[in-house]
Amino acid sequence: GAGVSQSPSNKVTEKGKDVELRCDPISGHTALYWYRQSLGQGLEFLIYFQGNSAPDKSGLPSDRFSAERTGGSVSTLTIQRTQQEDSAVYLCASSLETGAGNTIYFGEGSWLTVV
Amino acid sequence: KNQVEQSPQSLIILEGKNCTLQCNYTVSPFSNLRWYKQDTGRGPVSLTIMTFSENTKSNGRYTATLDADTKQSSLHITASQLSDSASYICVVRERTGANNLFFGTGTRLTVIP
Repeated sequence: GAGVSQSPSNKVTEKGKDVELRCDPISGHTALYWYRQSLGQGLEFLIYFQGNSAPDKSGLPSDRFSAERTGGSVSTLTIQRTQQEDSAVYLCASSLETGAGNTIYFGEGSWLTVV
Repeated sequence: KNQVEQSPQSLIILEGKNCTLQCNYTVSPFSNLRWYKQDTGRGPVSLTIMTFSENTKSNGRYTATLDADTKQSSLHITASQLSDSASYICVVRERTGANNLFFGTGTRLTVIP
């Protein structure tokens, strides 16, 4: 596609339920990033993929969070047993490669509200 | 402590006026600095990217400056328009590694008629 696509754009879920957030990066981009942005806060790094592998998972807030990427393309961020503090915008981004000069393109985000 | 600090946190200006947003960073070794514009409910969009050797870069009414010695950057918006209302985020990239982006918390700009 023309840009990074995320779904769902909005999700309201009950505390304790599991949610899956999907990211379709720009075609051909090998690097994919997940960030979280709470209201009025800066972006918080969660995880990044180079191809299908995730060299750095240190940003994941807890073991309730996991992510995978298949076929070097689509990625899914899964949050198990959601808590109210998980409410945030989850932004996905991609870049052609991970080198410093590569522009990172963001999706529109998935707005998650846990009630 | 956040390695990228932005000021002011929020700013309200009249349409047609100019404004300057500040970004100070401590990230080292430095690779590049980007300014992103994030409209409410949208993902961030890149405005400019500056490397160590660049002092000024313009993108339409947006002009970014960088002083790598003092580790300061500014984003100047001229002749502001209502559509400039957004959050402006400063992002600094470290020279090593791949997930080495440091984000400021942004400046919320509101342009009023």
